[in-house]
Amino acid sequence: EAGVTQSPTHLIKTRGQQATLRCSPISGHTSVYWYQQALGLGLQFLLWYDEGEERNRGNFPPRFSGRQFPNYSSELNVNALELEDSALYLCASSRTGHGAYEQYFGPGTRLTVT
Amino acid sequence: AQTVTQSQPEMSVQEAETVTLSCTYDTSESDYYLFWYKQPPSRQMILVIRQEAYKQQNATENRFSVNFQKAAKSFSLKISDSQLGDAAMYFCAYRTDQTGANNLFFGTGTRLTVIP
Repeated sequence: EAGVTQSPTHLIKTRGQQATLRCSPISGHTSVYWYQQALGLGLQFLLWYDEGEERNRGNFPPRFSGRQFPNYSSELNVNALELEDSALYLCASSRTGHGAYEQYFGPGTRLTVT
Repeated sequence: AQTVTQSQPEMSVQEAETVTLSCTYDTSESDYYLFWYKQPPSRQMILVIRQEAYKQQNATENRFSVNFQKAAKSFSLKISDSQLGDAAMYFCAYRTDQTGANNLFFGTGTRLTVIP
């Protein structure tokens, strides 16, 4: 069974530009989560999508947005990039429903803003 | 808000020895889930073990076991017979049982070094 995949592996952007990160969940998983892992700040929850809808978002400004497609893959968009957006962005997927459904993580996209 | 604290930024263990990583959390909820994740230098986060708060029995997965103390809000990870491949960042994570809030809250991590 294929795991969670993310693309690209690395992304270099200039301040003020937009970045688009992509994630494909494990087959059968309908929930996709995005986390930011910035140096010194640990892992912070960004967004949760399920069945095409945004279900919850973390304490991030609106320029962090995304969507989930009918095949449950997801896209994270970061507009008006700032230097502090440089981080590893991790995507995770899980089944949905009431229960301890584990989240399985992808390898991440390293975003560097210069 | 839920917070997860890992008070040991770094730990080291001799190969084949046992090490315990600490984690405490703060919550007012009675039903929740706790996880330990491992992030090796390759940066892929790997689930190590999970614990449901309603279960009194501590979870065990091969060489990995937890000591879950609900009243003390403590969730430590014990790694027995440590191997070189266990070297990684270890993150403790919390997830509520409430509908609509599936996201994980992570601690700041403990970097484990395994000494040959």
